[in-house]
Amino acid sequence: QKEVEQDPGPLSVPEGAIVSLNCTYSNSAFQYFMWYRQYSRKGPELLMYTYSSGNKEDGRFTAQVDKSSKYISLFIRDSQPSDSATYLCAMNRDSSYKLIFGSGTRLLVRP
Amino acid sequence: DAGVIQSPRHEVTEMGQEVTLRCKPISGHDYLFWYRQTMMRGLELLIYFNNNVPIDDSGMPEDRFSAKMPNASFSTLKIQPSEPRDSAVYFCASSLKVRTGKNFGEGSWLTVV
Repeated sequence: QKEVEQDPGPLSVPEGAIVSLNCTYSNSAFQYFMWYRQYSRKGPELLMYTYSSGNKEDGRFTAQVDKSSKYISLFIRDSQPSDSATYLCAMNRDSSYKLIFGSGTRLLVRP
Repeated sequence: DAGVIQSPRHEVTEMGQEVTLRCKPISGHDYLFWYRQTMMRGLELLIYFNNNVPIDDSGMPEDRFSAKMPNASFSTLKIQPSEPRDSAVYFCASSLKVRTGKNFGEGSWLTVV
């Protein structure tokens, strides 16, 4: 079993929809949680960074961490075609350099 | 503000040839990471440096792979000899602190035929 599980998709939604992307993990020691966006043939780009449990909002993006369920989410409000990309979750333990990535969910926002 | 710069962007080479990938991290970043991305295995950490010193190379798949960081603004990842299974996208990333989010380059797309 992988340490971090992420549905590969693709997830196809109409423009303006609310998108929910999720990851589950098995290691309760994970403390730092990140979401990266990766456009086709580009490098991953850091979107959101959270420590421990709770919510964090940045514009149309909200990251949620539920450590009791070992579940993290990224919500995108008012989705746009430009949001079409692969979204990777990533996490690591306190004092650990080793970032564990999910396999990524491909999102397509239809105009 | 220039991001992480990688070269070459694309490389096609024959099996057995030496491949050298290059990376210029963001100025002031103390940490540099080399990742490999494939469809099968996703993003894997190969090696990372702190202040130009290799800290952990346990992700380097074989002795055919080597990485150096001669100064704070330059790193190389070398594969010698290359094999078809090395075909992947190789990313370099840098960060200010080891646990914070990383800035990735645009990747070097390697095909070994």
